[in-house]
Amino acid sequence: NAGVTQTPKFRVLKTGQSMTLLCAQDMNHEYMYWYRQDPGMGLRLIHYSVGEGTTAKGEVPDGYNVSRLKKQNFLLGLESAAPSQTSVYFCASSYSLWESGANVLTFGAGSRLTVL
Amino acid sequence: EDQVTQSPEALRLQEGESSSLNCSYTVSGLRGLFWYRQDPGKGPEFLFTLYSAGEEKEKERLKATLTKKESFLHITAPKPEDSATYLCAVQAPWEGYQKVTFGTGTKLQVIP
Repeated sequence: NAGVTQTPKFRVLKTGQSMTLLCAQDMNHEYMYWYRQDPGMGLRLIHYSVGEGTTAKGEVPDGYNVSRLKKQNFLLGLESAAPSQTSVYFCASSYSLWESGANVLTFGAGSRLTVL
Repeated sequence: EDQVTQSPEALRLQEGESSSLNCSYTVSGLRGLFWYRQDPGKGPEFLFTLYSAGEEKEKERLKATLTKKESFLHITAPKPEDSATYLCAVQAPWEGYQKVTFGTGTKLQVIP
């Protein structure tokens, strides 16, 4: 059982380049999320999805776009990378609230992105 | 705005030396409080959910408690393998959704 798988694990970009982070889950979870983790800031929600074909903005959505074309996949895109986007990105998934009553998140291992 | 503050930022214990980690929170309409463990280079791993003041949950050497303003993670007779960063998070209503807000964590080091 793989859980939540993120690719790539590491990436170095130059300012202005674009890239996509891929997240896949095999637990049939309805909800999926993208967080970024920075020293002293904690995990911050970028975008989330409550089901296939739906996405919504989190706390820090600027500079990012997402898509959820299939239930098991959630993609995070950076159209024009900036040094401020250097961070560790975590994808997570959970059951819907009416199934569990609580957002217990299962996280991937993270993707470390450096923007030069 | 929901806030989660964890203290101390870092804690160094001798093996077998019990202690507690603190999580203070300010939130409107708490739906749940979570504790996660994060090892270096990995994603957070779920430990506990607490829903109401007075509730307690235990797992091996860890015990989580909840009051109306804070939660404690008690570690009894820790071992080196308990070394990790422990994250606290709260779930509350936010713009038609229920958001999970994380604290910055307590980095625990247990020395043999």
